[in-house]
Amino acid sequence: EDQVTQSPEALRLQEGESSSLNCSYTVSGLRGLFWYRQDPGKGPEFLFTLYSAGEEKEKERLKATLTKKESFLHITAPKPEDSATYLCAVQERNRDDKIIFGKGTRLHILP
Amino acid sequence: EADIYQTPRYLVIGTGKKITLECSQTMGHDKMYWYQQDPGMELHLIHYSYGVNSTEKGDLSSESTVSRIRTEHFPLTLESARPSHTSQYLCASSDHQGIYEQYFGPGTRLTVT
Repeated sequence: EDQVTQSPEALRLQEGESSSLNCSYTVSGLRGLFWYRQDPGKGPEFLFTLYSAGEEKEKERLKATLTKKESFLHITAPKPEDSATYLCAVQERNRDDKIIFGKGTRLHILP
Repeated sequence: EADIYQTPRYLVIGTGKKITLECSQTMGHDKMYWYQQDPGMELHLIHYSYGVNSTEKGDLSSESTVSRIRTEHFPLTLESARPSHTSQYLCASSDHQGIYEQYFGPGTRLTVT
């Protein structure tokens, strides 16, 4: 069964304390992996698309990486405004209509 | 910032009422989606559209219907609301070019009493 699993479910960090969020996936073939940020009561905001193993993308304090089985979202020296839920989603090859979302990681950065 | 809009943002309605949730986008995207999301849970796809006059059901069984008469507009209708329909409804759109990076609206929080 195709799955996207994110860990941890929740993470509390001190401001400046770097860490990583994990997204592991099981699909028959990967077309693309997406990271989104979601603030409470709002729709997800697109961050990155990764297409193939070894690819990396960066945006401010965030860096996303991809292997054949998982993706990491690295957060370097986070600030309180980075607090949000981070969602991972996978688009399966040859199933353009099927995008599977994980449950997300709730990140809280303490000042 | 993505140009995709949803109205209303919040709705409290009684059981049995008919409701329509509105979604519009100004990006000219072909593909549009409706998702349902409960607190702390993943997004579940309930409907999607490849373009005008195209509508498809998603993975989550739903008693709602959608229409796509114009590219920019993708309303979702519940003929008879029930308490089990209480949830957050998210509309999204993407370019129909193979890799479906989705741009989401702010959501409609629906409560059925």
